[in-house]
Amino acid sequence: GAVVSQHPSWVICKSGTSVKIECRSLDFQATTMFWYRQFPKQSLMLMATSNEGSKATYEQGVEKDKFLINHASLTLSTLTVTSAHPEDSSFYICSARVRDREIGEQYFGPGTRLTVT
Amino acid sequence: SQKIEQNSEALNIQEGKTATLTCNYTNYSPAYLQWYRQDPGRGPVFLLLIRENEKEKRKERLKVTFDTTLKQSLFHITASQPADSATYLCALGTGGGNKLTFGTGTQLKVEL
Repeated sequence: GAVVSQHPSWVICKSGTSVKIECRSLDFQATTMFWYRQFPKQSLMLMATSNEGSKATYEQGVEKDKFLINHASLTLSTLTVTSAHPEDSSFYICSARVRDREIGEQYFGPGTRLTVT
Repeated sequence: SQKIEQNSEALNIQEGKTATLTCNYTNYSPAYLQWYRQDPGRGPVFLLLIRENEKEKRKERLKVTFDTTLKQSLFHITASQPADSATYLCALGTGGGNKLTFGTGTQLKVEL
C-alpha cells in the first residue's frame, strides 16, 4: 500500500512554455502533499506544502506565481511550472502523508525530470 | 545556522559487514527523525522513523539510534548486501505541518 505516482516521468519543454506535473496517491487518501525539487548530487529541497481544498504554503524563496500548486482532491495534486526557463530544469518529486498513519511518515512519487531547452 | 550533515563521501563496505551511516544536525530540535533510501533517478523510499523520546528502533536488518544530546542519529544495516547499495537520506521533522528537512545523503556501495 501507500503508492504515489507522478506523471509524466520526464518532460522536455521549450523556454517560456508551461508544464504541469501530476501527483496521485493511488491507494490512500492524502491529507497533505509536498513538492520538492532536487538538483544533481544535492538533497531534496521542499518547495511547498499542499493541503486538500486550501491554498498551498510555499517555502521562503519559492515563487508562488511561477510554481502553481493545486490540490483539488484527497488523491491528486498538480504542480505547474509557468514560463519555464533553463534554470527550472530539475528533478521534481512529490510526497504524500497518509491520513491516520504515523505522524511524519511520507511516501514519495518516482519523480519527474524536467528539462527546459 | 541550521545544518544537517551526512558523510558526503561514499561509503564502501564488503558484503556481509555492517554499514553505519551518520546524521548530525545543529540548531534543530526535531520531534522525529526519518531515514530514506534513494536510488538514482527515483524518489526516496521511507525506511524508519524514530521519535525524540526513543533511543533505538529496529526493522529487520536495519537499526536506527537517536541521541538528542549529541544531536546525532546512526543508521545501521547489518549483513549488508549489494542490493543495499543506494543513497541514504536522513530527514528531520521540524516545524508544524509535518515538514521534513533532508540531509544531503550518503552513498553506500556494498561490494562482493
